[in-house]
Amino acid sequence: DARVTQTPRHKVTEMGQEVTMRCQPILGHNTVFWYRQTMMQGLELLAYFRNRAPLDDSGMPKDRFSAEMPDATLATLKIQPSEPRDSAVYFCASGLVLFRLGRSQPQHFGDGTRLSIL
Amino acid sequence: DQQVKQNSPSLSVQEGRISILNCDYTNSMFDYFLWYKKYPAEGPTFLISISSIKDKNEDGRFTVFLNKSAKHLSLHIVPSQPGDSAVYFCAASAQETSGSRLTFGEGTQLTVNP
Repeated sequence: DARVTQTPRHKVTEMGQEVTMRCQPILGHNTVFWYRQTMMQGLELLAYFRNRAPLDDSGMPKDRFSAEMPDATLATLKIQPSEPRDSAVYFCASGLVLFRLGRSQPQHFGDGTRLSIL
Repeated sequence: DQQVKQNSPSLSVQEGRISILNCDYTNSMFDYFLWYKKYPAEGPTFLISISSIKDKNEDGRFTVFLNKSAKHLSLHIVPSQPGDSAVYFCAASAQETSGSRLTFGEGTQLTVNP
């Protein structure tokens, strides 16, 4: 079975440090999503890309978060500088959107990066 | 503004009985609904979906019902098994306007007791 791969699985770092999370979407999927799961907010969408172009990043704090897709096999989410309130599990998901029908197949999720900012 | 709500944080059922998980939504533009299952330390796994043109979709032990007038959907698991114990997330999408971005509920922890 094809899977979304996220690295690292766990990250512990001190406040102020830069954090980079990586995601390898499923081959052939044209849409990549970044979600964050916290105890308080559940699963919230941070940003998503279609064919590597950013479509919406309104869920991200712009001053410290950035998301990119340098190529079709890699998506990155960076936090600089990191703060304790960024501690959460960050999920990447990928999916295939069929433009003509405006329909998509279900998104497939990676196992997440558990981030702890001390 | 919580557009997708799962009002029951937890549900406990006996093995072999029916599990019913509920979800309500407020956005009338939502036209595609999904259920995901999540085990600890893993990502959500797609379970079943339903388009707004249907009111029922069935896949093995899992059935999703959609009541558009009530803006309510439910997931039925029959019979429930201990391996079904997980957090279940309801999600919704407005395909035409949002191009597949999902809005999730808060999740319901299902425990199936042997």
